[in-house]
Amino acid sequence: AQSVTQLDSQVPVFEEAPVELRCNYSSSVSVYLFWYVQYPNQGLQLLLKYLSGSTLVKGINGFEAEFNKSQTSFHLRKPSVHISDTAEYFCAVSEGSGSARQLTFGSGTQLTVLP
Amino acid sequence: EAQVTQNPRYLITVTGKKLTVTCSQNMNHEYMSWYRQDPGLGLRQIYYSMNVEVTDKGDVPEGYKVSRKEKRNFPLILESPSPNQTSLYFCASSFYRGQGASNYGYTFGSGTRLTVV
Repeated sequence: AQSVTQLDSQVPVFEEAPVELRCNYSSSVSVYLFWYVQYPNQGLQLLLKYLSGSTLVKGINGFEAEFNKSQTSFHLRKPSVHISDTAEYFCAVSEGSGSARQLTFGSGTQLTVLP
Repeated sequence: EAQVTQNPRYLITVTGKKLTVTCSQNMNHEYMSWYRQDPGLGLRQIYYSMNVEVTDKGDVPEGYKVSRKEKRNFPLILESPSPNQTSLYFCASSFYRGQGASNYGYTFGSGTRLTVV
């Protein structure tokens, strides 16, 4: 069964600093990987996804993530954050074959950008 | 506009009073799913449906029912709500996973915040 671990529940960072939100997954088969963002009192918005091909994936709002199969990681990065990036971020995995059953989420990372 | 629509956005109810949260999508997606979000736990899947009349349990199905009579609709039913079902609920839909299909991905509704007293 697949699972997702987001190693940091809270990440405070100063405005214009770089940030990395960590995500590790476990699965016995190939996977599709996603990062979602949830702003306060809103639903989930897709930031980026890895389906196949290049392991460096660029998303919206200047975010990018790198798929590392050997380390089973999909860390999210942004070189310079803004106050408006304050939100909760969720990593999710879907297995690339077999049942369409499951998009499994991590427990989330609250990113707080400080002025 | 392509979207998943949930109603209501907010709901306060009493223990034991049956309720239904509706979910509708206009993207002709085969796959639909319900999640609940609780602090520190992320999103956990309640039920999913791979197509009309095909549903199956997720990780936390106890106390919930679903039906999929039409492709676009996937209501979530709580026949006897209890306080431990107080949560934020999300409906999501997707095309069925195709190998490397670039349009594969999940679209989420805006959420339903349910409080059971």
